[in-house]
Amino acid sequence: DTEVTQTPKHLVMGMTNKKSLKCEQHMGHRAMYWYKQKAKKPPELMFVYSYEKLSINESVPSRFSPECPNSSLLNLHLHALQPEDSALYLCASSASPTFNSPLHFGNGTRLTVT
Amino acid sequence: GESVGLHLPTLSVQEGDNSIINCAYSNSASDYFIWYKQESGKGPQFIIDIRSNMDKRQGQRVTVLLNKTVKHLSLQIAATQPGDSAVYFCAENRWGSQGNLIFGKGTKLSVKP
Repeated sequence: DTEVTQTPKHLVMGMTNKKSLKCEQHMGHRAMYWYKQKAKKPPELMFVYSYEKLSINESVPSRFSPECPNSSLLNLHLHALQPEDSALYLCASSASPTFNSPLHFGNGTRLTVT
Repeated sequence: GESVGLHLPTLSVQEGDNSIINCAYSNSASDYFIWYKQESGKGPQFIIDIRSNMDKRQGQRVTVLLNKTVKHLSLQIAATQPGDSAVYFCAENRWGSQGNLIFGKGTKLSVKP
């Protein structure tokens, strides 16, 4: 079992819906990440939060809106998505945002946009 | 070599044999490298990491080798088991560039019983 918990595991939404993906970790990690993964492709970085502040946005469209309510939680708010946004959305955390340490991933939310 | 499109490079080995998965990285400034294993329906799972001041690191049944001269990384799995079947990704990170973990294309390892 992973120490990074993501909910829901699966999500189907229409293009006019608003939904949120949630991620939680209790390892005391101070950096949290959102990645997007398409089938048979490597994960691609979307956002990085460092000490609860957004530090990296990899030119992600505004229909994706991240939020970090506290050091253990990370949300990704979704609005007006397109079918091509269907993918596996992975949350990860690492101990330090400034020193190299491995990222620990959750099992992802499988998102389908209809 | 690497392929493009929807086809992952595949390595097929017999159970009990050793496996070697290779990865070429792109940035000579990268100083930290990680191998991940991703099983179907799951997120990437950390296997082993290595910093650029080392050329070899061993874990349980796994060894990572780093050749900075040719920017090459390899993962060796000893006595491969059916549970090792998965997609393996190498990832590189430059010190201080938090979160900018660049993943390789991945290799699918299939273990034949």
